[in-house]
Amino acid sequence: AQSVTQLGSHVSVSEGALVLLRCNYSSSVPPYLFWYVQYPNQGLQLLLKYTTGATLVKGINGFEAEFKKSETSFHLTKPSAHMSDAAEYFCAVSDEDSSYKLIFGSGTRLLVRP
Amino acid sequence: DGGITQSPKYLFRKEGQNVTLSCEQNLNHDAMYWYRQDPGQGLRLIYYSQIVNDFQKGDIAEGYSVSREKKESFPLTVTSAQKNPTAFYLCASSMTGTGYGYTFGSGTRLTVV
Repeated sequence: AQSVTQLGSHVSVSEGALVLLRCNYSSSVPPYLFWYVQYPNQGLQLLLKYTTGATLVKGINGFEAEFKKSETSFHLTKPSAHMSDAAEYFCAVSDEDSSYKLIFGSGTRLLVRP
Repeated sequence: DGGITQSPKYLFRKEGQNVTLSCEQNLNHDAMYWYRQDPGQGLRLIYYSQIVNDFQKGDIAEGYSVSREKKESFPLTVTSAQKNPTAFYLCASSMTGTGYGYTFGSGTRLTVV
């Protein structure tokens, strides 16, 4: 069955440090890939997405992600963490059995230390 | 501005009562979804609907019911059969074609006492 794996339910970084949130997926067809961010008691907001074309995708708030087909990965990075980046992040992949559904990872909570 | 609205933001109900959560979108999206979120458990799909008057069960449909009488609206009823209804509920919508992704509402936090 298709799946999305986010390594690490919690990631802690210092303010100003590199942020790296990992996402690996399984899919037998070229997928569409997404990263969402969720702040406490709010809905999810789209950070960035990969559909076709350039494999390095830039999103909002200085985040970017690179699609690596050979590694079936779509890791999210940001060069310098800010306190306001503290949130939960979800990776999602298009469901190959559906024209519209997404499959979500279990989420990674990012903690930013002052 | 187009968007997806969930109401109310917070909801309290007594055990054994049915309760309906509202979800309305003005994005002209075909598909709509309901997710449940519990601490440390990510998103779990309850129901989804691709078109009006049609919907399918997700992974945890037991104890829930939905209707899709209008394209814009996809209300979720949490019935008394749901054993542990206290949770954060998220509604989402999308165009057909998964390259677009989902647009989410701001959620409803249901507490059953």
